[in-house]
Parts: sequence; structure tokens; C-alpha cells
Amino acid sequence: DQQVKQNSPSLSVQEGRISILNCDYTNSMFDYFLWYKKYPAEGPTFLISISSIKDKNEDGRFTVFLNKSAKHLSLHIVPSQPGDSAVYFCAASEFMDSSYKLIFGSGTRLLVRP
Amino acid sequence: NAGVTQTPKFQVLKTGQSMTLQCAQDMNHNSMYWYRQDPGMGLRLIYYSASEGTTDKGEVPNGYNVSRLNKREFSLRLESAAPSQTSVYFCASSPGEIGGANVLTFGAGSRLTVL
Repeated sequence: DQQVKQNSPSLSVQEGRISILNCDYTNSMFDYFLWYKKYPAEGPTFLISISSIKDKNEDGRFTVFLNKSAKHLSLHIVPSQPGDSAVYFCAASEFMDSSYKLIFGSGTRLLVRP
Repeated sequence: NAGVTQTPKFQVLKTGQSMTLQCAQDMNHNSMYWYRQDPGMGLRLIYYSASEGTTDKGEVPNGYNVSRLNKREFSLRLESAAPSQTSVYFCASSPGEIGGANVLTFGAGSRLTVL
């Protein structure tokens, strides 16, 4: 059973508008949540994270919101730019047996139209 | 600053052949990981090494073995390749320190095709 779910495989938005990418999780023991961005033929690159004790973290155009009661987080990109077109992965960090693991969702492909 | 380096970038194997994917990091990270990415499946953890001298199974370890050769290097071996192992493989490393987000830094990936 998937512990981290991204239910929207794709999203298309107009340049300058807001992009909202969603992620749901099942394990209440996750201590951090991260978003990664991936371009074709490259490895994923870290974008932004949020601690499970926070409800919002902002970095420039990127903001992540966490709703613990709903086990839901979202990434907002404002304003969206064509260079933001990529696959975005949500990930949850689990500390177990003295080690960390990241569990990833299946990804959402974002297309920002000029 | 190279970060995480994976070799080879591309490989074609026949069913039953063996091969090793190499990974090295130059960030003095404690933890290293191997993931595979398949369409619609996201990134799934194969094996990881929390620190030098330790390795543990992840979500999809069957058909693979790993070696943490030293702090810098973590290799993934396919002993008898199967078509189901056709995938893109990513190596990653992280500081692995207690507390914090434990951000993983990924390599560029190795695309493996098993015929």
C-alpha cells in the first residue's frame, strides 16, 4: 500500500498563474516532507521541505503547506514560469532503525504554458 | 564539485547477464541509497546504507545486491538480470545526521535495459 500518494499524474497551467501540486500520506510518524523537481534525463533535485511540526514553509516562489489532520500537503508555485515545467515528486522522511529513508510519491508532471 | 556520480549512464543487457552499477559521492555523506524509477511508480527504494559498513533492504530488494565499499562508494549488483529490472536507477546520498530534513542528493541516473 502506497504511503505517499500523488493522485494527479499531470497538471497544466498558464505562465504567471499559480500551480498547486497535491500530496497525501498515510503514516503519521513521518517527521519531514520534501518536494523534489526532476527534468528529463537528470536526477531529482531538492526544492523545499517542511517539518511535521510546521504548517507552512516558503522559499521565494515556492510555498509548501502541511495539513496534519488531513494528512495532506501541497506545493504552491507563484508565479509559474515555463522553466518550472518538470515532474514534481513529494517525499516523506521516516526515521526507523537508526536510519532515515525517503518514501516518494509517483510524481506529477507540470506543464507551464507560455 | 561533482556531488553524486553514477556509472554507466546507459547499459543494455541480455536476460541472465550480470552487471554492477557504480556510485560515488564527494560530499562526505554518511548515508547512501539506490532507487529505481518506473513509469507511474515514482522512485522506489532498493537498498540503502545508513553508514559505512551497514546495508539494509528497501522496498524492492529482490534480484539485487549492494556493497558499501567505503564511505564514498556504494555499488548495486544485478546477478542475473531479468526484463523486469529494465528501469532507470538513481543513486543518492545524504548527511544521515539526527534531526533535520535529511535531504538526499541524487546522481544523474543509469538507464538499464534488459532484453
